[in-house]
Amino acid sequence: QQQVKQSPQSLIVQKGGISIINCAYENTAFDYFPWYQQFPGKGPALLIAIRPDVSEKKEGRFTISFNKSAKQFSLHIMDSQPGDSATYFCAASPGTSYGKLTFGQGTILTVHP
Amino acid sequence: EPEVTQTPSHQVTQMGQEVILRCVPISNHLYFYWYRQILGQKVEFLVSFYNNEISEKSEIFDDQFSVERPDGSNFTLKIRSTKLEDSAMYFCASRGDSNQPQHFGDGTRLSIL
Repeated sequence: QQQVKQSPQSLIVQKGGISIINCAYENTAFDYFPWYQQFPGKGPALLIAIRPDVSEKKEGRFTISFNKSAKQFSLHIMDSQPGDSATYFCAASPGTSYGKLTFGQGTILTVHP
Repeated sequence: EPEVTQTPSHQVTQMGQEVILRCVPISNHLYFYWYRQILGQKVEFLVSFYNNEISEKSEIFDDQFSVERPDGSNFTLKIRSTKLEDSAMYFCASRGDSNQPQHFGDGTRLSIL
């Protein structure tokens, strides 16, 4: 019940295309859903995050869509660029915890020029 | 921009030895975390630390592991009697308060021989 399931495992997109990564969770106590971007040799860096009181959040080319009833959330990267090539992790945290993050398996995104 | 810094970047240790991984969280942050990432797998929560004590720990964080904040700036993870399966990337993270995101360091790659 603590798991966060992420798909796809890998994604190849052409420059300018839309990248979509999906996550699903079971634990209804989760109330904070961040997305992290990780480049090789670096730690995860927060990209964008959402709480379940909104269904969508947009920051620049990055948008989170959140479906509370389906317990699913997704990351959309518009106008994908080669510099977006990285591993993306969704995560979730329950409000009752001290911030413990449960991560998805990760998606390796490759954007071809 | 303030960063979480981790040392060393790579630690090679013989099986059975003790290792100490060091982290300097962002100044004025109150919550501290250790995560690990086995090669090719997802990031896993190990422990959270708040108000000078462990606030939450995972089942991975058994008696082999301990954490300490020996002074006002460092946060350490000690692993006793290391095993081959302890080989992983270990990430430290910190956050300011319960409404702020976690910031990750670039990790320490631990290799057990």
